Amino acid sequence: DQQVKQNSPSLSVQEGRISILNCDYTNSMFDYFLWYKKYPAEGPTFLISISSIKDKNEDGRFTVFLNKSAKHLSLHIVPSQPGDSAVYFCAATSFNTGNQFYFGTGTSLTVIP
Amino acid sequence: DTAVSQTPKYLVTQMGNDKSIKCEQNLGHDTMYWYKQDSKKFLKIMFSYNNKELIINETVPNRFSPKSPDKAHLNLHINSLELGDSAVYFCASSASPLSETQYFGPGTRLLVL
Repeated sequence: DQQVKQNSPSLSVQEGRISILNCDYTNSMFDYFLWYKKYPAEGPTFLISISSIKDKNEDGRFTVFLNKSAKHLSLHIVPSQPGDSAVYFCAATSFNTGNQFYFGTGTSLTVIP
Repeated sequence: DTAVSQTPKYLVTQMGNDKSIKCEQNLGHDTMYWYKQDSKKFLKIMFSYNNKELIINETVPNRFSPKSPDKAHLNLHINSLELGDSAVYFCASSASPLSETQYFGPGTRLLVL
């Protein structure tokens, strides 16, 4: 049973526009969320995280939004660049339940020049 | 019904010991992976197997030996454990080596004392 879901396997966006990647989770005990970026043949690279005490965290062009009531988080990339083309994984964990990580299955983002 | 499972979830052991982590997937996937997550949350790929054959073998000490008895299982054996081996180890699977969608296991937290 997938506790973290990324329902869009792929997304295409024009360069310069906003990319929005979505992630839903089912376990209300999760209190820490992460986004990873993965290029082909490489391991995922940590991108940005958010704690459940916040609803927004920003780092340069990347912003993660957390909606706890909807159990939904999203990653916004603005402006999108061709180098952002990669697979993005969201992950969730809870420090109260043993720090196990649960990953989504990934969304492949293509930024079209 | 868990898609990718790992055992054990936690492992605390002394330096110099030998230990194994097991991974099983019930998705019918051909490709499995082992990743190591360091303290900065970076996920580094260690090994990948496709249909029981090793296809990715990153620069990992040869104290780490993966074994794939069948394509649903990829176990990781670690000899002569060192303090620096303490990390969370994630197993993942995908339909093929070219698939961008990966299903991750919950992780095994290894602590070497």
